Amino acid sequence: ILNVEQSPQSLHVQEGDSTNFTCSFPSSNFYALHWYRWETAKSPEALFVMTLNGDEKKKGRISATLNTKEGYSYLYIKGSQPEDSATYLCALGYSTLTFGKGTMLLVSP
Amino acid sequence: ETGVTQTPRHLVMGMTNKKSLKCEQHLGHNAMYWYKQSAKKPLELMFVYNFKEQTENNSVPSRFSPECPNSSHLFLHLHTLQPEDSALYLCASSPLGKGASSYEQYFGPGTRLTVT
Repeated sequence: ILNVEQSPQSLHVQEGDSTNFTCSFPSSNFYALHWYRWETAKSPEALFVMTLNGDEKKKGRISATLNTKEGYSYLYIKGSQPEDSATYLCALGYSTLTFGKGTMLLVSP
Repeated sequence: ETGVTQTPRHLVMGMTNKKSLKCEQHLGHNAMYWYKQSAKKPLELMFVYNFKEQTENNSVPSRFSPECPNSSHLFLHLHTLQPEDSALYLCASSPLGKGASSYEQYFGPGTRLTVT
């Protein structure tokens, strides 16, 4: 059973704060690492797919890094806004995905 | 209509009922998926269909029966469910092809199922 761990479980920050979360996974048999954003009452939305050690991806104020040798990925949000409030999920695999439990982010105005 | 749609959005059924969940994708994707989201648990993959062929059954009980008649439609037939099957059921699709982005999954809004 593949174990994908995310921390922290939840996070409450003020508007304008920068924040980051961690996704940890077994470093053996790595294929791909996905990040998704899931807003309440909406569908999960793909943010990034990363496959190579050292990969860095960026979309607006959100960026992610990948270290396959030590088995972790970081997701960074610069200058958090209330609309960033969501659960951020990471998942391991190509098409057969194993998800972590997510980090719930709340950004207060 | 674009994206991935699911119907119904909410369903309440008794343990002796038979019902079906429907998923439709308008993205021209080649793979479709069923997931289950139970309270305080991670999203759990149930079934995978690649080019209409089932390639993954993640030890799902036989009271859940998937059907993929074509690459745009996916059904989940439900019968004699248990109260613990109450959950959010999500459908997703992905292009499948070359490159990491072809494995991005596009999710529907889900069906909230309550088994009484």
